[in-house]
Amino acid sequence: AQSVTQPDIHITVSEGASLELRCNYSYGATPYLFWYVQSPGQGLQLLLKYFSGDTLVQGIKGFEAEFKRSQSSFNLRKPSVHWSDAAEYFCASTPGDDMRFGAGTRLTVKP
Amino acid sequence: EAQVTQNPRYLITVTGKKLTVTCSQNMNHEYMSWYRQDPGLGLRQIYYSMNVEVTDKGDVPEGYKVSRKEKRNFPLILESPSPNQTSLYFCASSFGGVVYNEQFFGPGTRLTVL
Repeated sequence: AQSVTQPDIHITVSEGASLELRCNYSYGATPYLFWYVQSPGQGLQLLLKYFSGDTLVQGIKGFEAEFKRSQSSFNLRKPSVHWSDAAEYFCASTPGDDMRFGAGTRLTVKP
Repeated sequence: EAQVTQNPRYLITVTGKKLTVTCSQNMNHEYMSWYRQDPGLGLRQIYYSMNVEVTDKGDVPEGYKVSRKEKRNFPLILESPSPNQTSLYFCASSFGGVVYNEQFFGPGTRLTVL
């Protein structure tokens, strides 16, 4: 069965520093992969998605993610973190109609 | 304004007392879904619906029912709630399936079952 793993429960970075959030998937077929962000007390918002083609995808708010089939990974990156990026981030995948989410990574941004 | 609405936003109830959480979207989306969010587990899909009168089980359907009689509404029914259904619930919708289309999430319903 498909699954999504986010190895880091909580990450703290300083404002202005770079960020990388890890995501691994287990899947036999071509994965459809997503990153969502959940700000405190809010629903989820889509940051970016990967279906096929270019393995480096750009999203909103300056985020990007790179799909690496050899490592079964889809890590999220941002070159310079802003205080407003503090939130919980979820990686997700779907084979078609049902969605599987990772457990989430909580990001804290230090001033 | 395009949105997904859920009611109620907060609910405290007792074991065994039937309840319904409503979900409505005004974007004419075919696909609707329910998730529960629990600490350390992320979001888990309960049920989803590809269109009117079409529903399918997600990852954790036990103890829940849904119906899709109208395109805009997708209520979640707990016939006999139990404490392990205490959770934060999200409804979401998208135009077509989730593979190519962004899901829009409601604000969440925090349910406590005593």
